[in-house]
Amino acid sequence: DTAVSQTPKYLVTQMGNDKSIKCEQNLGHDTMYWYKQDSKKFLKIMFSYNNKELIINETVPNRFSPKSPDKAHLNLHINSLELGDSAVYFCASSRDYRYEQYFGPGTRLTVT
Amino acid sequence: QKEVEQNSGPLSVPEGAIASLNCTYSDRGSQSFFWYRQYSGKSPELIMFIYSNGDKEDGRFTAQLNKASQYVSLLIRDSQPSDSATYLCAARTGGFKTIFGAGTRLFVKA
Repeated sequence: DTAVSQTPKYLVTQMGNDKSIKCEQNLGHDTMYWYKQDSKKFLKIMFSYNNKELIINETVPNRFSPKSPDKAHLNLHINSLELGDSAVYFCASSRDYRYEQYFGPGTRLTVT
Repeated sequence: QKEVEQNSGPLSVPEGAIASLNCTYSDRGSQSFFWYRQYSGKSPELIMFIYSNGDKEDGRFTAQLNKASQYVSLLIRDSQPSDSATYLCAARTGGFKTIFGAGTRLFVKA
């Protein structure tokens, strides 16, 4: 009965590949997020969806594309992976954008 | 540039002492404030949220908010070695975004 789940937990891939990370929440929340946490542990917002509508689209390379098939799912697809994309990616959800967020376990992406 | 600033630490306190973690934010329109705890290799975990000026207590934790000074703090009473972690302060701006600080590392010595 995990609240926010992400797959995979670890992802090791080579430069130039395309990969996806999936996120699901069973909390009935309306808002979902993708964050990137780099080696300095700084947590930076990338995207947010509210009821399947994109409400935050930070300055990230357009190689990153989020997709929300329904309000319980938010996936992140990354094209042409680069070394600098190596980080931990966290999915989170909240009742709506005003409220506290609950984080998934994270996906550690390593690009070699 | 809307920012949330924290001292990176490490903040070292002896077991049983009060740990005081501080945070300032730049956007006066910020509405809600959150404290998260993150153990190494784990995801951020919500400890407390506070919306109004003053103190809010939950067990050993007290969050304090002063909107005039744009200042949020977290007090941990009777600190335990298991409290050793990075503490992230976050502020929801007047819009959709929640901005996180870089975190303060807390070390509680047994």
